Amino acid sequence: DADVTQTPRNRITKTGKRIMLECSQTKGHDRMYWYRQDPGLGLRLIYYSFDVKDINKGEISDGYSVSRQAQAKFSLSLESAIPNQTALYFCATSVATGGAAGGLLTQYFGPGTRLTVL
Amino acid sequence: GDSVTQMEGPVTLSEEAFLTINCTYTATGYPSLFWYVQYPGEGLQLLLKATKADDKGSNKGFEATYRKETTSFHLEKGSVQVSDSAVYFCALSTSNQFYFGTGTSLTVIP
Repeated sequence: DADVTQTPRNRITKTGKRIMLECSQTKGHDRMYWYRQDPGLGLRLIYYSFDVKDINKGEISDGYSVSRQAQAKFSLSLESAIPNQTALYFCATSVATGGAAGGLLTQYFGPGTRLTVL
Repeated sequence: GDSVTQMEGPVTLSEEAFLTINCTYTATGYPSLFWYVQYPGEGLQLLLKATKADDKGSNKGFEATYRKETTSFHLEKGSVQVSDSAVYFCALSTSNQFYFGTGTSLTVIP
């Protein structure tokens, strides 16, 4: 079974609709992340959470919100979807494993959700 | 701020050719460096990593050496296979943040 799962895998919705993307993990990691991937732009961080009570905005948080329901669950919501939010969305988890100044945040990714907003 | 710059693709090679994908970084402090690979229709998978200067990460025939003097972490493979066709991402991490390059698409033709 996959360690990081995302639902749904594909979604088509209309402008103005509210949509939620869900992420679950069985790795026992404290840290969870949401990214979006767009052609030519790589991955951009939307939100991240270091534990259940810690939520932080990433590079492109406008138009998105998140909820960390439990250590294993981290949901991303689009309150009113717009076409330029059409993208591939990835959830990731990590645990800091190094004590060095730079840390060692190996990230583990889910399979992605392809979202299309018409 | 911290960032990663990697060579733009797409890259097309014949099977058994030598591969180099360039990656340079800008960072304060002492980041860890990574290469991730994304196969079609899948999420990113860790390919290799290095945590300090002069470390060499290696996996599946791929190698990359953490060069602090040139702030580089170039990915190399001596003989690519069709199954290596994927998108490759260079990345760095500091203690709290993770930064990805824009990705380089590799296609290997028989």
